[in-house]
Amino acid sequence: GESVGLHLPTLSVQEGDNSIINCAYSNSASDYFIWYKQESGKGPQFIIDIRSNMDKRQGQRVTVLLNKTVKHLSLQIAATQPGDSAVYFCAENILRGSRLTFGEGTQLTVNP
Amino acid sequence: NAGVMQNPRHLVRRRGQEARLRCSPMKGHSHVYWYRQLPEEGLKFMVYLQKENIIDESGMPKERFSAEFPKEGPSILRIQQVVRGDSAAYFCASSPISRATDTQYFGPGTRLTVL
Repeated sequence: GESVGLHLPTLSVQEGDNSIINCAYSNSASDYFIWYKQESGKGPQFIIDIRSNMDKRQGQRVTVLLNKTVKHLSLQIAATQPGDSAVYFCAENILRGSRLTFGEGTQLTVNP
Repeated sequence: NAGVMQNPRHLVRRRGQEARLRCSPMKGHSHVYWYRQLPEEGLKFMVYLQKENIIDESGMPKERFSAEFPKEGPSILRIQQVVRGDSAAYFCASSPISRATDTQYFGPGTRLTVL
């Protein structure tokens, strides 16, 4: 399953499928990008990050892709599990800046 | 190693009262950030502090809101004369060193409800 930017805030997938969550960021000067997972009633949990001098980074079951040309970021989750159900936020940071600017999030629902 | 701690987890205030939110950063972290999250929205930056210094408060409302991070003790976000529009989840994050690539780790948040 795949979401389309911020215009489709929900994504529903079957357990075991791969998920793709997309994010369009706004500032071409942003140097650092992070994906956070937020479960209901909890704080954002760090998933994976990527610097602007990279276009791909892999973690355990997750991959982040960065396309600076079109200012697009995506999070791929392999073999999605029910425990992956949450809201996923992308966040960006400008070099030497300290504030994170968050996207509006995508609600991922994994159906058993 | 304990994570970022925030208290209280839930806070109910009546209009006009004061709200005090506390944040203890992760051990070894000296940089604290406060964010506000309205229902079904992303987090919005409010203020960034180091010990005894406010570094960036450009996201914080000019009136009624203040923040501090004293030499000893937790960081405090203070909201005076609360209004219903202040109802939100307030999250604190910390990082060890302020560089563009230092990850910010978040606490569980304080959910403020203004009656």
